[in-house]
Amino acid sequence: AQSVSQHNHHVILSEAASLELGCNYSYGGTVNLFWYVQYPGQHLQLLLKYFSGDPLVKGIKGFEAEFIKSKFSFNLRKPSVQWSDTAEYFCAGGSTLGRLYFGRGTQLTVWP
Amino acid sequence: DAGVTQSPTHLIKTRGQQVTLRCSPKSGHDTVSWYQQALGQGPQFIFQYYEEEERQRGNFPDRFSGHQFPNYSSELNVNALLLGDSALYLCASSLLAGGRETQYFGPGTRLLVL
Repeated sequence: AQSVSQHNHHVILSEAASLELGCNYSYGGTVNLFWYVQYPGQHLQLLLKYFSGDPLVKGIKGFEAEFIKSKFSFNLRKPSVQWSDTAEYFCAGGSTLGRLYFGRGTQLTVWP
Repeated sequence: DAGVTQSPTHLIKTRGQQVTLRCSPKSGHDTVSWYQQALGQGPQFIFQYYEEEERQRGNFPDRFSGHQFPNYSSELNVNALLLGDSALYLCASSLLAGGRETQYFGPGTRLLVL
């Protein structure tokens, strides 16, 4: 069965620290991958997406993710986090049929 | 450009009742998906509508049904509510684009079943 897993449930960092959030997916074939973010009191917003091509994808607010097919991974990175990055981050994957499978989410807390 | 809108924002029902949630997609989108997000979990896919037909369905019982209207808006209906149906219900809209579909989410409807 298709699934997406996020191994870090809660990450706590100081401002300016580097961030890497793990995401693994469990299915083969054509895969579309996404990272969504939910800031406190707001709805899910798209950070970045991967369909094909360059495995290094850049998104909004300085975030990027790398698709590594051999590791079934799509980790999210940011070189220097800010207090305003405090939010819950969700990795999601799907096939060309459109249904998305979400991970459990990672709560990121950034201390000023 | 209005994003995805959902109504109502909050709802309280009792066990056994029925509920209808509504969603208007982002301008230009033709596909609507519904998700259930329980506390502390990621969203779980309920179903997806395109051209007024259910295109895909997740592992939810028949108590969950939906509809899409000619203007692409959608409704989610849940019958015979159970306590376990308490959750945030998310609507996402997208444009069917040859396998490169990006879903944009609304703010959700928080349902509490007592």
